[in-house]
Amino acid sequence: AQKVTQAQTEISVVEKEDVTLDCVYETRDTTYYLFWYKQPPSGELVFLIRRNSFDEQNEISGRYSWNFQKSTSSFNFTITASQVVDSAVYFCALRGESGGSNYKLTFGKGTLLTVNP
Amino acid sequence: DGGITQSPKYLFRKEGQNVTLSCEQNLNHDAMYWYRQDPGQGLRLIYYSQIVNDFQKGDIAEGYSVSREKKESFPLTVTSAQKNPTAFYLCASKGWGTGASDTQYFGPGTRLTVL
Repeated sequence: AQKVTQAQTEISVVEKEDVTLDCVYETRDTTYYLFWYKQPPSGELVFLIRRNSFDEQNEISGRYSWNFQKSTSSFNFTITASQVVDSAVYFCALRGESGGSNYKLTFGKGTLLTVNP
Repeated sequence: DGGITQSPKYLFRKEGQNVTLSCEQNLNHDAMYWYRQDPGQGLRLIYYSQIVNDFQKGDIAEGYSVSREKKESFPLTVTSAQKNPTAFYLCASKGWGTGASDTQYFGPGTRLTVL
């Protein structure tokens, strides 16, 4: 069985602060993919990043960075110098590649990030 | 512009009625998905289809039905058998291959309220 845990239900920061959203996953698959999505108040899920299990390189995209550590089964997301527009619910998701699981995304429950001016 | 459209954005239903939610994509994706989201919860898979004329149940298919007669369309019917249908419904699609094409992209969602 696959599982994604986002222990932080809500985070509130002041603009320009850095913030890290935690994601811990469980899977028995040796090949798997991890994703982060952003859900602004409008409701649509916006794809942010996809990472496969063989690529542990950290990635940076502007103010966003991701830290993937297989040893701790974590795929954490950091926003540097947060802005009010970053306010949203952020979901971490996992997709395995064994048996029939390669169709399905398993989502965490999400972290509500509020960035105050 | 390529993308996924869902309609309507808001839908109100009386108890005992069936309603159909529309999902259309022009991304030429083979796979399509329906998820349900409840407040404070992650997304749960209702149904998915990997190819035209074929679909499979997800984790919470009871009380729902789908069809996949065209590649670009994957409507979801919420039947009267669904005991608690009030939720936010999201449709997604995915291509094949690697990288960006092997990622689920989501529509804007339909918020269903049962009165």
